[in-house]
Amino acid sequence: QKEVEQNSGPLSVPEGAIASLNCTYSDRGSQSFFWYRQYSGKSPELIMSIYSNGDKEDGRFTAQLNKASQYVSLLIRDSQPSDSATYLCAVMNYGGSQGNLIFGKGTKLSVKP
Amino acid sequence: DAGITQSPRHKVTETGTPVTLRCHQTENHRYMYWYRQDPGHGLRLIHYSYGVKDTDKGEVSDGYSVSRSKTEDFLLTLESATSSQTSVYFCAIATIDREKLFFGSGTQLSVL
Repeated sequence: QKEVEQNSGPLSVPEGAIASLNCTYSDRGSQSFFWYRQYSGKSPELIMSIYSNGDKEDGRFTAQLNKASQYVSLLIRDSQPSDSATYLCAVMNYGGSQGNLIFGKGTKLSVKP
Repeated sequence: DAGITQSPRHKVTETGTPVTLRCHQTENHRYMYWYRQDPGHGLRLIHYSYGVKDTDKGEVSDGYSVSRSKTEDFLLTLESATSSQTSVYFCAIATIDREKLFFGSGTQLSVL
């Protein structure tokens, strides 16, 4: 069973701080990694994708990938109360007939004003 | 919103009754998915479709069936609803590489 693990939180950070969200995955052959954000009562939305080792930056968001350690992280700089949400890590699984995303259970982030 | 509409948005039903949830898309995407989301379990794949009449099982398919007779519609049926199927159900479409999902607004289903 291929798995994606996340700390469920809640992770609480003060406004303006850096929030660090972490994810590990079990399938060493995985090549594609994603972060989704889900506000309470809403549907998940894709915010970052990363495919290569290292960092990928998009505005205040930085995704980090270390395939050797099977570790993906998301950093949110200058955290805002509007960043308060659950963040889902997802890993592409190419097993089976078509391949599908496997999601972690999510980390709840709370940014305090 | 990637042109995805789920219906109904909310439903309350009784144990043992059949229930059908509908997902409609307007952008001719090949891949469509049904997920359920429960506290402590995250998003789990129920069934997915990779074309008209082409479907396959996901991680938690027991008790569910699907049909896709047209590109735009993907139906999820609970043949005989149980309380364990109380959940939020999300439909999603994928980009052609299957890697990026776009979700509908969800259906809150309560089975009493």
